[in-house]
Amino acid sequence: AQSVTQLDSQVPVFEEAPVELRCNYSSSVSVYLFWYVQYPNQGLQLLLKYLSGSTLVKGINGFEAEFNKSQTSFHLRKPSVHISDTAEYFCAVSEKGGSEKLVFGKGTKLTVNP
Amino acid sequence: ETGVTQTPRHLVMGMTNKKSLKCEQHLGHNAMYWYKQSAKKPLELMFVYNFKEQTENNSVPSRFSPECPNSSHLFLHLHTLQPEDSALYLCASSQDEGRVETEAFFGQGTRLTVV
Repeated sequence: AQSVTQLDSQVPVFEEAPVELRCNYSSSVSVYLFWYVQYPNQGLQLLLKYLSGSTLVKGINGFEAEFNKSQTSFHLRKPSVHISDTAEYFCAVSEKGGSEKLVFGKGTKLTVNP
Repeated sequence: ETGVTQTPRHLVMGMTNKKSLKCEQHLGHNAMYWYKQSAKKPLELMFVYNFKEQTENNSVPSRFSPECPNSSHLFLHLHTLQPEDSALYLCASSQDEGRVETEAFFGQGTRLTVV
């Protein structure tokens, strides 16, 4: 069965600084990978997903993530964050050819300070 | 607004009460899901419905009873809950179950507090 580890439960940064939110996964088969964002008092919204092809995936709001198969990682990055990026970010994985159910990490709370 | 609407947004209930959570989507999706989001824990998939048929129950206690009368509506009936059931309950929908190429859309959730 697959699993997801988000090493950082909280990441505080200053506005306009770069940020990287880490995600590592474990699976015995090939996977699909996702990042979701949850703004305060909101549901989850898809930021980006990796299904196949280029390992660098660009998403909404200037975020991007890179799939690294050898390191089983899918870290999320943004070169310059805004106050409005303050939210909780969830990494999720789904096994190809399996049930394809999403398995989520515990989330990383990103706080952007002025 | 994602197209998935959940009501109520907040609910406080006693352990002996019976209440229901409602989820509605007008996206034309065929699959609907209930998730539980507790503090400091990963999002937990509870139930999956595909074309109104329940296709997954992740060992959820019987005090949670889902109902899917049609592809647009999903309910979660609650009775004799425990304080540890307090959480954010999220509904989601997607075009088809088991096809992750299609995006899952989430509602805003119902914040449930059991007292």
